[in-house]
Amino acid sequence: EVQLVESGGALVQPGGSLRLSCTASGFTFTDCWMTWVRQAPGKGLEWVATIKQDEIGTFYVDSVKGRFTISRDNAKNSLYLQMNSLRAEDTAVYYCVRDWGAPDYWGQGTLVTVSS
Amino acid sequence: QAGLTQPPSVSNGLRQTATITCTGNSNNVGNQGAAWLQQHQGHPPKLLFYRSTNRPSWVSERFSASRSGDTASLTITGLQPEDEADYYCSTWDNSLDGWVFGGGTKLTVL
Repeated sequence: EVQLVESGGALVQPGGSLRLSCTASGFTFTDCWMTWVRQAPGKGLEWVATIKQDEIGTFYVDSVKGRFTISRDNAKNSLYLQMNSLRAEDTAVYYCVRDWGAPDYWGQGTLVTVSS
Repeated sequence: QAGLTQPPSVSNGLRQTATITCTGNSNNVGNQGAAWLQQHQGHPPKLLFYRSTNRPSWVSERFSASRSGDTASLTITGLQPEDEADYYCSTWDNSLDGWVFGGGTKLTVL
């Protein structure tokens, strides 16, 4: 059974930093691209970042470029999102998503709140 | 980054049929097709279709999907109360080098 478990969400002040983690199981992690998608309260889904299997190829939505870094540790079956210079508009539930040519499995999400 | 266009809401009666459309362009839906996701309140999204017409084994046959040019469609027949949810389309955009999502469609079963 595919499982994706996120952690690391918290309340953080504007300008602060946070690192999200996602632990994957039930599939061959190195076979898949992995993606972070977020959802602001009461809003729709927004793609944040994607990383290829090779741990090197990465893609970002314009609004987070230069502030967020997606990474993975294939030896640990883990995905990460380092978030710096956080803004109020980054407040959202962040989902870890398996990217098998489509967003086919989603974690339960972790809530990030940026507020003073 | 530009997203895909969906109607904000769709409604129809119990046991009736509902169709949700998703319009993109030649860099996304027209090239890659679309995935469809269902999200119930308070839960993560669940994949319904990938590459426009491929249905995972866990999805009811009451759900079907198609694509014509830059527009993808999701059809739900025999509407049930549990079909009330938000539905999103999504696909990779070759020009943006990233995923794009529709704004979501709220389905109401009357």
